[in-house]
Amino acid sequence: SQTIHQWPATLVQPVGSPLSLECTVEGTSNPNLYWYRQAAGRGLQLLFYSVGIGQISSEVPQNLSASRPQDRQFILSSKKLLLSDSGFYLCAWSDTGTGELFFGEGSRLTVL
Amino acid sequence: QKEVEQNSGPLSVPEGAIASLNCTYSDRGSQSFFWYRQYSGKSPELIMFIYSNGDKEDGRFTAQLNKASQYVSLLIRDSQPSDSATYLCAVDQGGKLIFGQGTELSVKP
Repeated sequence: SQTIHQWPATLVQPVGSPLSLECTVEGTSNPNLYWYRQAAGRGLQLLFYSVGIGQISSEVPQNLSASRPQDRQFILSSKKLLLSDSGFYLCAWSDTGTGELFFGEGSRLTVL
Repeated sequence: QKEVEQNSGPLSVPEGAIASLNCTYSDRGSQSFFWYRQYSGKSPELIMFIYSNGDKEDGRFTAQLNKASQYVSLLIRDSQPSDSATYLCAVDQGGKLIFGQGTELSVKP
């Protein structure tokens, strides 16, 4: 069966510091991968999606970037965090048949 | 204009009642629609998806889709306190799921 993991689960970072969130999927090959962000009390905002290694589409211009160095690995990064980057970050993969998204456990980022 | 809109609530219903959650979307080309449930501090989990106009039932949950009016709804029968969560509507747009802001549901014992 397919599983998705992301880490770290929580982190507190100062403004201007770098960020790296990682996500891996097991049990499937060539998945579509996604990064979403959820601000407090808000819905999910699509940040990036990828249909293959090295193929990244950005949905929202900001100081974040994403990379997909391996088929089942998706990384979200920032060189300098802003206060507005705080939120709940969710990695997901999609079932190409149904279109359903399967989410990781989430990473809660607080920027101080 | 937001692409997927939901009433943010909170929606409060007594235990055993029917909870009705609504969602409208702007892209007439959308073909797939999803309802997710999200407990506080947790990641969303799928309740059900619907592709065709009409109703789709799964246990206590019924999804309703009306493409002409561009709305999709979720009915929860015999609501339980454990149903208290935020319900997210999502619409497929070219292989990407676009989410509404969610409706917070509170089921009172």
